[in-house]
Amino acid sequence: QQQVKQSPQSLIVQKGGIPIINCAYENTAFDYFPWYQQFPGKGPALLIAIRPDVSEKKEGRFTISFNKSAKQFSLHIMDSQPGDSATYFCAASKNDGNKLVFGAGTILRVKS
Amino acid sequence: DTAVSQTPKYLVTQMGNDKSIKCEQNLGHDTMYWYKQDSKKFLKIMFSYNNKELIINETVPNRFSPKSPDKAHLNLHINSLELGDSAVYFCASSQWTGGNYGYTFGSGTRLTVV
Repeated sequence: QQQVKQSPQSLIVQKGGIPIINCAYENTAFDYFPWYQQFPGKGPALLIAIRPDVSEKKEGRFTISFNKSAKQFSLHIMDSQPGDSATYFCAASKNDGNKLVFGAGTILRVKS
Repeated sequence: DTAVSQTPKYLVTQMGNDKSIKCEQNLGHDTMYWYKQDSKKFLKIMFSYNNKELIINETVPNRFSPKSPDKAHLNLHINSLELGDSAVYFCASSQWTGGNYGYTFGSGTRLTVV
């Protein structure tokens, strides 16, 4: 079964909008939650990551919100640009960090 | 300079053949991985090596055999290729650094079995 559930499957926003991608997990042993961005023909690239002792983390236009009690976390992209169009993956791992469990991915399209 | 490089980028082969994918990282990371991305873009770990030692071996058919000659290299050999092996295979490496696991992925090898 899928350990990390991601939604929506795809998302279209206008330039300047704030797309939000949500993920939920079941395994309370997970303690590292990264987000990856993947462009066609490329490997996933780390965007931003959070640990469960923090409820929010911001890096540039990317913000992760984390709700430990609900076992949910989300990615917000402020002032989205056409260049942000890509597939976004949430992931989770246990404290050894060796094995990333990925969500199914969200295809984001930002219209200019 | 490419941090994690894999070759070849594309691989088209017939069912039943044996093929290898090579991976090298110049980041000095201790841990390397193989991930498989299927046609629906779902990413799943296959293997993980730490300093040439196998530490993760997911439920992967034994036709897949990883080999790590040193900590900078992790190759993947696939025997008796099947149609269902068609996917994009990503090599990655990681190192714990200041609160992040510093995962870096290669650009992938698109394997097509015909």
